[in-house]
Amino acid sequence: AQRVTQPEKLLSVFKGAPVELKCNYSYSGSPELFWYVQYSRQRLQLLLRHISRESIKGFTADLNKGETSFHLKKPFAQEEDSAMYYCALSNQGGKLIFGQGTELSVKP
Amino acid sequence: GAVVSQHPSRVICKSGTSVKIECRSLDFQATTMFWYRQFPKQSLMLMATSNEGSKATYEQGVEKDKFLINHASLTLSTLTVTSAHPEDSSFYICSARSDPNTGELFFGEGSRLTVL
Repeated sequence: AQRVTQPEKLLSVFKGAPVELKCNYSYSGSPELFWYVQYSRQRLQLLLRHISRESIKGFTADLNKGETSFHLKKPFAQEEDSAMYYCALSNQGGKLIFGQGTELSVKP
Repeated sequence: GAVVSQHPSRVICKSGTSVKIECRSLDFQATTMFWYRQFPKQSLMLMATSNEGSKATYEQGVEKDKFLINHASLTLSTLTVTSAHPEDSSFYICSARSDPNTGELFFGEGSRLTVL
């Protein structure tokens, strides 16, 4: 079964603190994984994808096939990072399967 | 990035009526578009894959007679919610890829349907 799990519904941190949003997946093939972000009153947009191995807005995510995880990390959270974050998996049919989402709240 | 636009952004209708939502790719052609449904602060549930020139592919549990999808051109897909009921009230989002070889999906702004 293809599944994406984000165990935390809400993550609240103070500005400057490290952040880790957890994502685990279940997929029999070779997965392509993404993190999407939805800021308040805005549309969903791509944050980063595992094949790029890039850092966007200070966020990074490493694919760990052994642990079937793709956790999103940022060493120092900013207030503008407050948003809904969705981990997603693209299957061979090109469909994007989303996790339940984690609301990140960064407090001043 | 590529732009996907939905119309209307909000619609209120009476129970039993039908509502059409349009999804357009503004600066690219899309042979495939995806329709999602989102509940407040919850995940996006894939409803169906819209295929230009052929029938849509529906996910398990989604009623194809309830949610009619038409993809008449390379830039337009429509979702019609037929005989709407209050439980159909939701946020409907469409998405498409500008490059079929990349995984990135571009999303519309969403359409909020309220059925009274």
